[in-house]
Amino acid sequence: QQQVKQSPQSLIVQKGGIPIINCAYENTAFDYFPWYQQFPGKGPALLIAIRPDVSEKKEGRFTISFNKSAKQFSLHIMDSQPGDSATYFCAASNTRSGYSTLTFGKGTMLLVSP
Amino acid sequence: NAGVTQTPKFRVLKTGQSMTLLCAQDMNHEYMYWYRQDPGMGLRLIHYSVGEGTTAKGEVPDGYNVSRLKKQNFLLGLESAAPSQTSVYFCASKGRAAPYNEQFFGPGTRLTVL
Repeated sequence: QQQVKQSPQSLIVQKGGIPIINCAYENTAFDYFPWYQQFPGKGPALLIAIRPDVSEKKEGRFTISFNKSAKQFSLHIMDSQPGDSATYFCAASNTRSGYSTLTFGKGTMLLVSP
Repeated sequence: NAGVTQTPKFRVLKTGQSMTLLCAQDMNHEYMYWYRQDPGMGLRLIHYSVGEGTTAKGEVPDGYNVSRLKKQNFLLGLESAAPSQTSVYFCASKGRAAPYNEQFFGPGTRLTVL
């Protein structure tokens, strides 16, 4: 059972475009939704995260939109740059247990062309 | 601080051989995790540890064993490697006092089983 569904699998945009990556979850106990960014040959790194008490969070050019009733959240990258080319993973967890494990989506490979 | 380090970076095994992957963190984190990453599958949790001397199974634990004898180290063992275990393995750690559920990832170990 895939608890976090991510789409699309891959995405190509031109520099300056606004790629959007979508995720949907099933477990209503999830209360923390991070996005991780991974460059080739590197480990994933936390990019931005949101809790379900807010509908949007912005950090620089990155924005998470969250729809609790639809159990969906998405990542928007404003004014995308070639340096944003990477694989992006959404994830979800239930933080009520301190060690709470992350359930990841399958990832989206983003290419921003110059 | 080195953060999360993994040893080795690359390894090739023959079917049936055994090996141990070492993860070390210098952030005094309580929680540590082992994931595997396969193309199109995202990151899947193998085992995790909530503290020294404790381990628990994740989503895909079969064929792997782990140990956490010291707080800073988390070992992943393959007793009899199989081609299905060809993957990139990532270790991560998280502090108990983290305001969010951020996990810090190592650079990965690329394992090929022939």
